[in-house]
Amino acid sequence: AQSVTQPDIHITVSEGASLELRCNYSYGATPYLFWYVQSPGQGLQLLLKYFSGDTLVQGIKGFEAEFKRSQSSFNLRKPSVHWSDAAEYFCAVGARSGGYQKVTFGTGTKLQVIP
Amino acid sequence: EAQVTQNPRYLITVTGKKLTVTCSQNMNHEYMSWYRQDPGLGLRQIYYSMNVEVTDKGDVPEGYKVSRKEKRNFPLILESPSPNQTSLYFCASSSPGQGVDEQYFGPGTRLTVT
Repeated sequence: AQSVTQPDIHITVSEGASLELRCNYSYGATPYLFWYVQSPGQGLQLLLKYFSGDTLVQGIKGFEAEFKRSQSSFNLRKPSVHWSDAAEYFCAVGARSGGYQKVTFGTGTKLQVIP
Repeated sequence: EAQVTQNPRYLITVTGKKLTVTCSQNMNHEYMSWYRQDPGLGLRQIYYSMNVEVTDKGDVPEGYKVSRKEKRNFPLILESPSPNQTSLYFCASSSPGQGVDEQYFGPGTRLTVT
């Protein structure tokens, strides 16, 4: 069974500082990996995804993530955080088995941005 | 506009009173899913559907029912709600093809069971 760990429940960064949110997954084969963002009172929106190919993927809003198979990680980064990035971020791993797909979400990391 | 809609957005009910939360998508997606979100637990899958008349249990199906009679609709039914089902519920859809694709989420339904 697949699983996702987001070890940081809450992170605070200053506006303009760099950001890295950690995500570790457990899955036997090459996984489908996703990062979603949830702004307060909103549903989830996809930031970026990785299926195969280049292990550094670019997403929306200036985010990027790097897939590292050897570390089973898919960390999310942004070089300069804006106040509007304050939200909760979820890493997810997906797997396909025959005719069924299964997506498992991490417990989320809440990002606070201070001026 | 491509979207997933849920109704109602907010609901307060009493223990044991049957309720249905509707979910509809206009993207012709095959895959639909229900999640509940609780503080510190992230999103946990309740039920999912790979296509019309094909549904299966997720990680936390107890106390819930679903049906998929039409491709666009995937209602969540709580036949006898209990306080431990107080939560934020999200419906999502995707078109996975042969793999796993991004999911499009509805705005959420906040349910309180007293």
